[in-house]
Amino acid sequence: EIVLTQSPGTLSLSPGERATLSCRASQSVSSYLAWYQQKPGQAPRLLIYGASSRATGIPDRFSGSGSATDFTLTISRLEPEDSAVYYCHRYNTSPDIFGGGTKVEI
Amino acid sequence: QVQLQESGPGLVKPSQTLSLTCTVSGASINSGSYYWSWIRQPAGKGLEWIGRVTSSGSNNYNPSLKSRVTISLDTSKNQFSLKLSSVTAADTAVYFCSRDGTLKWFDPWGQGTLVTVSS
Repeated sequence: EIVLTQSPGTLSLSPGERATLSCRASQSVSSYLAWYQQKPGQAPRLLIYGASSRATGIPDRFSGSGSATDFTLTISRLEPEDSAVYYCHRYNTSPDIFGGGTKVEI
Repeated sequence: QVQLQESGPGLVKPSQTLSLTCTVSGASINSGSYYWSWIRQPAGKGLEWIGRVTSSGSNNYNPSLKSRVTISLDTSKNQFSLKLSSVTAADTAVYFCSRDGTLKWFDPWGQGTLVTVSS
């Protein structure tokens, strides 16, 4: 079974800085990768699908890249409301797999 | 705008069956374009996909839970439901329902409901 490993576990940055989050798959997932943002007490929100396509209403400071086994979520100019845990998700094949998450502190 | 809302008991006794319902508004659950999933999250931990039901009523389940899980549709009420049998404290979690576009990403999500397994 595929494993998604996210790093780092926690990222502490200042407003306006760039955040780079990694999601590494134990075997190729092609581009069947999504990213979600989850704030405390809330449901996850879809940010990116197909590794690099932004979901509706997501600001363009969020971008996704990568394919096969190595993926990156970049937040280009951090804002205080970007404090959250970010999860990657491999879809297209059952069972769906989530990464362990990266916490971004601002 | 599609919205999902979970409902069900917040407290379940060990060895009993956890039962939750997800009510969908703004979309028909028997539309062939979408599937419907349950996902859970223990406190302070990550997300675990439980399983899905397709618009025709067939299922995919997480192998780790497959022997205890049933997910079904109620098209008359535009709802889908989760049953998890023989629960233990390890099943205590926030349970989310979500829509996925036929084995695709999850969007949108319900707000989640906390289920505690305790005597």
